[in-house]
Amino acid sequence: DAGVIQSPRHEVTEMGQEVTLRCKPISGHDYLFWYRQTMMRGLELLIYFNNNVPIDDSGMPEDRFSAKMPNASFSTLKIQPSEPRDSAVYFCASSLVTSSYNEQFFGPGTRLTVL
Amino acid sequence: QKEVEQNSGPLSVPEGAIASLNCTYSDRVSQSFFWYRQYSGKSPELIMSIYSNGDKEDGRFTAQLNKASQYVSLLIRDSQPSDSATYLCAVNRDDKIIFGKGTRLHILP
Repeated sequence: DAGVIQSPRHEVTEMGQEVTLRCKPISGHDYLFWYRQTMMRGLELLIYFNNNVPIDDSGMPEDRFSAKMPNASFSTLKIQPSEPRDSAVYFCASSLVTSSYNEQFFGPGTRLTVL
Repeated sequence: QKEVEQNSGPLSVPEGAIASLNCTYSDRVSQSFFWYRQYSGKSPELIMSIYSNGDKEDGRFTAQLNKASQYVSLLIRDSQPSDSATYLCAVNRDDKIIFGKGTRLHILP
């Protein structure tokens, strides 16, 4: 079975540019999560979806960040405009609907560098 | 108080010994507890989950949960160099998981 797929794996961009990260969850999973990981802050939840509907976006750092899930097999995280402090590894994860047993499967991550 | 707290380490353990990793959490209503392993440059992967007080064993790994003390631990028996990684403790809150910052474990050959 294919796991969670993310693209691109690496992204280097300049400050002010728009960045779009992509994720394909595991087929049949109802929950999709976007995380950001840095040395200083660890693994932070940005937003999560249930059945394509955003449930909690309280972790999104500011209005420059937005996320969409137009269908069950695709989600995007967009940063516009990007800033150097957005440099981090961004992970997408998915899980089944059993909320009490929320075992999440992570994609390989996108390493974002904003110059 | 942080929701999930772990000692950042590094924790150095001789090969073949038992590695003990600890975690405390603040939300008393949490019901699900997880240990993820993350190798450098890789994504986290689930290695253990536990939902009831007591011990749960899976191969060389044992997870221990004490809800009264809000404490979760992971024991790794017969530690191998391949166990060297960062171990993330995670606790559910509603439908999401809150992660600790992780403990770096280094197994000494």
